[in-house]
Amino acid sequence: DTAVSQTPKYLVTQMGNDKSIKCEQNLGHDTMYWYKQDSKKFLKIMFSYNNKELIINETVPNRFSPKSPDKAHLNLHINSLELGDSAVYFCASSQSLGLSLHFGNGTRLTVT
Amino acid sequence: AQRVTQPEKLLSVFKGAPVELKCNYSYSGSPELFWYVQYSRQRLQLLLRHISRESIKGFTADLNKGETSFHLKKPFAQEEDSAMYYCALSSPGGYQKVTFGTGTKLQVIP
Repeated sequence: DTAVSQTPKYLVTQMGNDKSIKCEQNLGHDTMYWYKQDSKKFLKIMFSYNNKELIINETVPNRFSPKSPDKAHLNLHINSLELGDSAVYFCASSQSLGLSLHFGNGTRLTVT
Repeated sequence: AQRVTQPEKLLSVFKGAPVELKCNYSYSGSPELFWYVQYSRQRLQLLLRHISRESIKGFTADLNKGETSFHLKKPFAQEEDSAMYYCALSSPGGYQKVTFGTGTKLQVIP
């Protein structure tokens, strides 16, 4: 069983569209994260949720809105997609804030 | 503010040669340090953490608080070690955040 799974694996869309990426973890972890990996492989945290509560919100545009319906899910919705949003988005979870992270396989988003 | 610096974007070594991937950090307290690895087109996975003081796939890393470093070492590189390596720091207690370095691509030449 995959511990942290995110869908879709690839997402190609046009500028201006709205899209969502889903993430689920079956590890029973309390904390979930979204990270963005750009073309230079820089890895930057976007959001962190602990027990469905937003804990970390880095300087991410308002077009990005995370939603955590329960502890095991953290979805990422992106409005009005821009070219610069093209990246690989990784979902991750940990037992508690700041502990070792378990990552999903990533979603490669390409905005044309 | 916490910061992690990996000075090398790319490190190329020959198979069998020693490997050292550098990581320096900036944090005023006692952080927890990690190394993560990302093989080609795969997910990031934890390689090791300093509190475990273990060797994984032949890699070790020692936390040097005086030099604020957490370099990753392996005595003999293997081709399958080729990957992106990220050093990460977590501040203990309270409002925690895991901060990643910019990553070092290790290329092991056969």
